[in-house]
Amino acid sequence: QKEVEQDPGPLSVPEGAIVSLNCTYSNSAFQYFMWYRQYSRKGPELLMYTYSSGNKEDGRFTAQVDKSSKYISLFIRDSQPSDSATYLCAMSAGPSGTYKYIFGTGTRLKVLA
Amino acid sequence: DVKVTQSSRYLVKRTGEKVFLECVQDMDHENMFWYRQDPGLGLRLIYFSYDVKMKEKGDIPEGYSVSREKKERFSLILESASTNQTSMYLCASRPQTGSITEAFFGQGTRLTVV
Repeated sequence: QKEVEQDPGPLSVPEGAIVSLNCTYSNSAFQYFMWYRQYSRKGPELLMYTYSSGNKEDGRFTAQVDKSSKYISLFIRDSQPSDSATYLCAMSAGPSGTYKYIFGTGTRLKVLA
Repeated sequence: DVKVTQSSRYLVKRTGEKVFLECVQDMDHENMFWYRQDPGLGLRLIYFSYDVKMKEKGDIPEGYSVSREKKERFSLILESASTNQTSMYLCASRPQTGSITEAFFGQGTRLTVV
């Protein structure tokens, strides 16, 4: 079993839809949870991060962590064609640079105009 | 604007060739990483380095080696390229300390071994 599981998609939605992207994990030591966005032919870029459980909102994006269920989500409200990208979740047990990030496989999202 | 720069966007090499992938970062980060990205498998860590001349094996080091002679530069070496090393290679750097040590990625090198 992989440490982090993520549905690869692809996920196609109409413009304006609410998108839900999810990851599950098995390692209870994970404390830091991140979402990276990767546009086609580019490297991933950090979109949002949360520490431990709870919600975090940034504009149209909301990240949720449920540590009891080992489940994290990224919600995108009022989705736009420019949101079309691959979204990767990532997790680590600590903040410093020597803690390995464990990435999900990524979910490919396409928002149709 | 922070930057991680990979020397090539696209490379085509022959089986058995020795291949060098170069990565340079301008953020003075201590930690640097090499990943490969394949459909359905996501990002897999090949090697990482937390200091000059230091290196650690990641999850899939076989067939690869690395070199870090200067803090800003981290090289990935394919000793004898094989077709199963055809992939997207991504370099990343991270600082050692911070509330969240964000990984900054390069644009990637798409390597095809024929």
